[in-house]
Amino acid sequence: KQEVTQIPAALSVPEGENLVLNCSFTDSAIYNLQWFRQDPGKGLTSLLLIQSSQREQTSGRLNASLDKSSGRSTLYIAASQPGDSATYLCAAPSGGSYIPTFGRGTSLIVHP
Amino acid sequence: DAGVTQSPTHLIKTRGQQVTLRCSPKSGHDTVSWYQQALGQGPQFIFQYYEEEERQRGNFPDRFSGHQFPNYSSELNVNALLLGDSALYLCASSLVGGRLSGANVLTFGAGSRLTVL
Repeated sequence: KQEVTQIPAALSVPEGENLVLNCSFTDSAIYNLQWFRQDPGKGLTSLLLIQSSQREQTSGRLNASLDKSSGRSTLYIAASQPGDSATYLCAAPSGGSYIPTFGRGTSLIVHP
Repeated sequence: DAGVTQSPTHLIKTRGQQVTLRCSPKSGHDTVSWYQQALGQGPQFIFQYYEEEERQRGNFPDRFSGHQFPNYSSELNVNALLLGDSALYLCASSLVGGRLSGANVLTFGAGSRLTVL
């Protein structure tokens, strides 16, 4: 059974800082790993998907890396802005499954 | 291009009642998954529908059931509601071909907030 852990659980930073959000997973036989953003009381928005054959993906100020051998993924947010305030969730499927298991998320607050 | 739409957005029920939640997938998607998200938790997988059949199921009791229609839309039914069923119910759609390539990006709806009193 896949278990996904996200550290830290919460983060509060001033605007402009570069951030690193961490995700670890127990079953490394994954097809892909996905990062999502969730605003309070809202649904999830897909940010980045990294396929198992890839090591990283980039979208604007976001960069996600994947190290299957160590069971870790990192989401890097450059030059953070107040609009980045949200909960960031990492999801990875169990080996042989396409169904992702979610972490509990990192709650991010970027203050002006 | 319409995304995933869910209805209703909010509803309040009492213990013992039954509820039906609805989901229309993103245009072009053929697979629908349902998730339950309690406050402060990550989404928990309930089940997935493809070709009008339940393909996979998470660790949820039989009180949770679903259906997928020929137009790929889906319903989630919960019977005999308990206080612990209060949560945000999320629907996600994807394309079966994406699973085969490992590129199955899930597209989520805004969710249905269920409160059980």
